[in-house]
Amino acid sequence: EVQLVESGGGLVQPGGSLRLSCAASGFTFSSYEMNWVRQAPGKGLEWVSYISSSGSTIHYADSVKGRFTISRDNVKNSLYLQMNSLRAEDTAVYYCAREVNWGLGDGAFDIWGQGTMVTVSS
Amino acid sequence: QAGLTQPPSVSKGLRQTATLTCTGNSNNVGNQGATWLQQHQGHPPKLLSYRNNNRPSGISERLSASRSGNTASLTITGLQPEDEADYYCSAWDSSLSAWVFGGGTKLTVL
Repeated sequence: EVQLVESGGGLVQPGGSLRLSCAASGFTFSSYEMNWVRQAPGKGLEWVSYISSSGSTIHYADSVKGRFTISRDNVKNSLYLQMNSLRAEDTAVYYCAREVNWGLGDGAFDIWGQGTMVTVSS
Repeated sequence: QAGLTQPPSVSKGLRQTATLTCTGNSNNVGNQGATWLQQHQGHPPKLLSYRNNNRPSGISERLSASRSGNTASLTITGLQPEDEADYYCSAWDSSLSAWVFGGGTKLTVL
């Protein structure tokens, strides 16, 4: 079964750090581009970050640039998101999503994890 | 990063047809089109449509997607109670080098 399982969420104080993990199974992880997408309570989806299959290309949303770092370990079939200098507005459910891609800009998020909740509060 | 524009809510009756819209610009929807996602309360999103009108395996044939210029549309025919959900469009923005989402449309089936 194709599956993504996020972990690492929790309660953290403003200015603190957290590292999210996403464990992939049921498919060849190293062949796929991956993304992090978040959803604040009661709000819509917001894309956070993208990483290519090899890890050589990375993109970030302006809202997290300079604070968050995406990475992957294709041996461990895992995706990560290191979040530093956290703010209250980073409070959200964080999803990892597999991207199936047919060319630059021609892709879709076809597999999603269940999400992990991050709460930034004092 | 500017997002895509979706109407906040659409209400239709049982067995009627609903058309949801998603407006972007020439750098995103007008370039490679949009994908559509469905999200039921408390669940992760699910891919409904990609490459303008392709459905993943298991997605109902009652759903169809299209694009005209910078606006993408998702049409759901024969509305059923289980279609009541939030619907999001997304597209890659080539000028931002970023994925952008619409704000979502809450579909209510009366």
